[in-house]
Amino acid sequence: AQTVTQSQPEMSVQEAETVTLSCTYDTSESDYYLFWYKQPPSRQMILVIRQEAYKQQNATENRFSVNFQKAAKSFSLKISDSQLGDAAMYFCAYRSPNTGNQFYFGTGTSLTVIP
Amino acid sequence: DVKVTQSSRYLVKRTGEKVFLECVQDMDHENMFWYRQDPGLGLRLIYFSYDVKMKEKGDIPEGYSVSREKKERFSLILESASTNQTSMYLCASSIRYEQYFGPGTRLTVT
Repeated sequence: AQTVTQSQPEMSVQEAETVTLSCTYDTSESDYYLFWYKQPPSRQMILVIRQEAYKQQNATENRFSVNFQKAAKSFSLKISDSQLGDAAMYFCAYRSPNTGNQFYFGTGTSLTVIP
Repeated sequence: DVKVTQSSRYLVKRTGEKVFLECVQDMDHENMFWYRQDPGLGLRLIYFSYDVKMKEKGDIPEGYSVSREKKERFSLILESASTNQTSMYLCASSIRYEQYFGPGTRLTVT
């Protein structure tokens, strides 16, 4: 099974600053999808951003962007101009097209935004 | 918008009870999943289903079973609840390459 590693259990950032959350994964596949999900306290998990492995261009969604390094198997999330509403647990996830739609999740990074 | 609902937000059961957790999605998704979420362990897949009456074991199926009689509904069953099954349970559905999550059920087994 593929493994996804988030080595930062907790991170903090000052409001309006930039923070980067790290994620690495292990796979022998060449085609796959990577995701960042956000889980606010006591609220539903939602998709933040998605990256297809065949695309060289890094995905961006407003203040959220990724740094996808396929050779290094690294997929970090950058949050610019951090806001109080960004405080949440963030999960990195991997999906293979070859394993029956199964998703593999990291252990999560808890982000605190300091006013 | 995709909507995934779970029957309960909070549930307290006694050891040995049979527990049913229900999940319903309204977008005709083929794939549905049950995860368990524990601090420091992330999300671990219990079971998933890619069609009605079809199921596949995930990483931690022991002590659980599932049922999918209708496309929109995926049930997780704890045949005999134990205290080590106290956890947050998340249901998800997906089509193509995105998953949509329900709000979760926090189950406490005493």
